[in-house]
Amino acid sequence: AQKITQTQPGMFVQEKEAVTLDCTYDTSDQSYGLFWYKQPSSGEMIFLIYQGSYDEQNATEGRYSLNFQKARKSANLVISASQLGDSAMYFCAMRAWGGGGNKLTFGTGTQLKVEL
Amino acid sequence: SQTIHQWPATLVQPVGSPLSLECTVEGTSNPNLYWYRQAAGRGLQLLFYSVGIGQISSEVPQNLSASRPQDRQFILSSKKLLLSDSGFYLCAWSNEGQKSDTQYFGPGTRLTVL
Repeated sequence: AQKITQTQPGMFVQEKEAVTLDCTYDTSDQSYGLFWYKQPSSGEMIFLIYQGSYDEQNATEGRYSLNFQKARKSANLVISASQLGDSAMYFCAMRAWGGGGNKLTFGTGTQLKVEL
Repeated sequence: SQTIHQWPATLVQPVGSPLSLECTVEGTSNPNLYWYRQAAGRGLQLLFYSVGIGQISSEVPQNLSASRPQDRQFILSSKKLLLSDSGFYLCAWSNEGQKSDTQYFGPGTRLTVL
């Protein structure tokens, strides 16, 4: 079984600063993928970034980067140069290909608020 | 490009009434389709997924059911709603041809059962 843990229920960051959202995971599968989604108040889940378990480089997508530390089983999201529009709920999720089927396992989320 | 639609956007239903939520995907063929539920302030819980027409896998036993009558159409149903069925329902699609098999979500349906 897979498990995702997000220990920060809420985070505050000042505009233009960088922020790190924590995510740790647990799985016995060797092949898996880690995803981050953003959920603004409208409710839609927006895909941000993906990291495969065999990817040697940390994933980056614009202002988003994923700090992947496989030995520590962590996949933290780093948002650089925060903007007011980054205020939202952020979810870490995992999919395992070794028997987890098509299931994405989600964490409980971190509410990020960007302040002026 | 691919788009995913859900309707209705919001729904208020009495306990014991039937339910039908619809999800359609455009711009891709033979997608994997998923229904998730999100309770207030919580993460997402997978309810059903489908890898093809008429093929439905259930993740959580409940009074909900799903059907896939067409390649890009996914329907979530109930014969009699319970109070505990209230929540935010999200449909998603993915394509196994992609390396990451990323799931892309629709705008969601907010269901309130009274």
